[in-house]
Amino acid sequence: EVQLVESGGGLVQPGGSLRLSCAASGFTFSSYEMNWVRQAPGKGLEWVSYISSSGSTIYYADSVKGRFTISRDNAKNSLYLQMNSLRAEDTAVYYCARDGVSYGDYANYWGQGTLVTVSS
Amino acid sequence: DVVMTQSPLSLPVTLGQPASISCRSSQSLVHSDGNTYLNWFQQRPGQSPRRLIYKVSNRDSGVPDRFSGSGSGTDFTLKISRVEAEDVGVYYCMQGTHWPTWTFGQGTKVEIK
Repeated sequence: EVQLVESGGGLVQPGGSLRLSCAASGFTFSSYEMNWVRQAPGKGLEWVSYISSSGSTIYYADSVKGRFTISRDNAKNSLYLQMNSLRAEDTAVYYCARDGVSYGDYANYWGQGTLVTVSS
Repeated sequence: DVVMTQSPLSLPVTLGQPASISCRSSQSLVHSDGNTYLNWFQQRPGQSPRRLIYKVSNRDSGVPDRFSGSGSGTDFTLKISRVEAEDVGVYYCMQGTHWPTWTFGQGTKVEIK
């Protein structure tokens, strides 16, 4: 069974940093592309970042470019999101989402999410 | 950037009755490979999103056949043939054609009358 478990969320002050993790199990993690998607309280879904299976290709939404860094450790079956210079508008539940093996098979599995609150 | 617009944003439905959600994109979602990468997601209260439909009309494994997707180009529809209590939640369309950026619609909240 595919499982994605996010952790690392919490309360942080504006300008602070936080590192999110997503532990994957039930599939060969190193074969799959991964994404982070966030959802502000009571709002819709916003794609944040993408990383290829090897980690060699990375993309970011304009709203986080230059502040967030996505990475992965295939030996540890883990995905990460390093978030720096956090702003109030980064407050959201952050989900990791796995793509399928075929091109365009996007977001077929999601984790349960971890809440990040940016507030003084 | 591609903008996805859903309607209605709120949809009260009687149990056993059909429901329909529209999703329109600001640009064609036909990819250069001929496919259309338009997905539908369900988010039940307090849960993470779950994909229901991929590439316009393909149901994911385990999704009841009362859910169906259709459309082409810039206009798409998710239909529930007979709404059940477990269908309550927010439904999102998402485009992946103009990858690497995914764009989601605003969401449509389905509730029971």
